[in-house]
Amino acid sequence: QKEVEQDPGPLSVPEGAIVSLNCTYSNSAFQYFMWYRQYSRKGPELLMYTYSSGNKEDGRFTAQVDKSSKYISLFIRDSQPSDSATYLCAMSADTPLVFGKGTRLSVIA
Amino acid sequence: DADVTQTPRNRITKTGKRIMLECSQTKGHDRMYWYRQDPGLGLRLIYYSFDVKDINKGEISDGYSVSRQAQAKFSLSLESAIPNQTALYFCATSDPGGDRVGNEQFFGPGTRLTVL
Repeated sequence: QKEVEQDPGPLSVPEGAIVSLNCTYSNSAFQYFMWYRQYSRKGPELLMYTYSSGNKEDGRFTAQVDKSSKYISLFIRDSQPSDSATYLCAMSADTPLVFGKGTRLSVIA
Repeated sequence: DADVTQTPRNRITKTGKRIMLECSQTKGHDRMYWYRQDPGLGLRLIYYSFDVKDINKGEISDGYSVSRQAQAKFSLSLESAIPNQTALYFCATSDPGGDRVGNEQFFGPGTRLTVL
């Protein structure tokens, strides 16, 4: 079993839809959880960061962490064509980040 | 100006050739990383360095070597390139003393390497 599992998609949604992206993990020591966004031909950029369990909201984006279920989510409200990208979850204890494989999202106008 | 730069941005080479990919950063971070990205496999860690005298193997270090020439420079070498090393390579940096103690990483723009 990989330490971090993420459905690679692709996921295609109409503009304005609510998008839900998810990752599961097996290492209970993980306590730092991040979502990176990667546009085509670019390096990943940090989108959301959460420490331990709970929710964090930033504009149209909400990150949720459920450590009891070893499950993290990223929600995108009112999705826009500019949100079309690959989204990678990442997590760590006190070591280099472990990344999911990424989910490719397309938002259709 | 970009904080993390990688050279070259694109490289095509032949099997058996020695290749060096270079990474430079102006962020003042101590920690640097090399990843490769392949379709369907995500980002995989090759090597990482927490300071100039520290080098650590990652998940897939076989066939690669690194050199940390200075705090700001971290090079990745393929001693004898093979076709399955064709991939997108990323350098990243992080600062353990920053606000985000969870090791947020900042990525360069990537090097697309093709081994024929």
